[in-house]
Amino acid sequence: AQRVTQPEKLLSVFKGAPVELKCNYSYSGSPELFWYVQYSRQRLQLLLRHISRESIKGFTADLNKGETSFHLKKPFAQEEDSAMYYCARGPGQAGTALIFGKGTTLSVSS
Amino acid sequence: DAMVIQNPRYQVTQFGKPVTLSCSQTLNHNVMYWYQQKSSQAPKLLFHYYDKDFNNEADTPDNFQSRRPNTSFCFLDIRSPGLGDAAMYLCATSRTPGGETEAFFGQGTRLTVV
Repeated sequence: AQRVTQPEKLLSVFKGAPVELKCNYSYSGSPELFWYVQYSRQRLQLLLRHISRESIKGFTADLNKGETSFHLKKPFAQEEDSAMYYCARGPGQAGTALIFGKGTTLSVSS
Repeated sequence: DAMVIQNPRYQVTQFGKPVTLSCSQTLNHNVMYWYQQKSSQAPKLLFHYYDKDFNNEADTPDNFQSRRPNTSFCFLDIRSPGLGDAAMYLCATSRTPGGETEAFFGQGTRLTVV
């Protein structure tokens, strides 16, 4: 089965500390990978996608095909980064919708 | 400006009583999805429409149905809700299927079954 695994349910860090949210995936073919974020009382929204190779709100994510990982990183966490983060992959040839991980809650405290 | 709107935000229904959740979009996207999300779990795709073509996931119970009368609206009908159907239901849209374009989500409807 195609899966997206986020091993950490909760990640707590202090403001200014580096952040790494882990994501591993199983795949067939070339994966399309995304990070979605849900801030408190807001809707789920796209944070970044691997094909864009962009940095959004200081976050980056590098696709590592050898390790089948797509970890989300930020060098200095801010309190406003506190949210639920979901790693997701495109279905490839298996379907037509995103496959989500269970999510990791990031809590940044001062 | 809300682009994917779900109504209501909270819905309480009785065990076995049919319930309908609604979703509308202002993006004119071709694809509309319904996801079910239970506590501490990943959003799980129930079905989606690509234009008028309905695509049901293999493991979606028959109890769940959907209608898309036009591009803007999509409904989720639960014919006989059970306690296990209590969840957050998320509607999403995208311009094309396959995940290559961004999916836009509504705020969800939290369904409680009593």
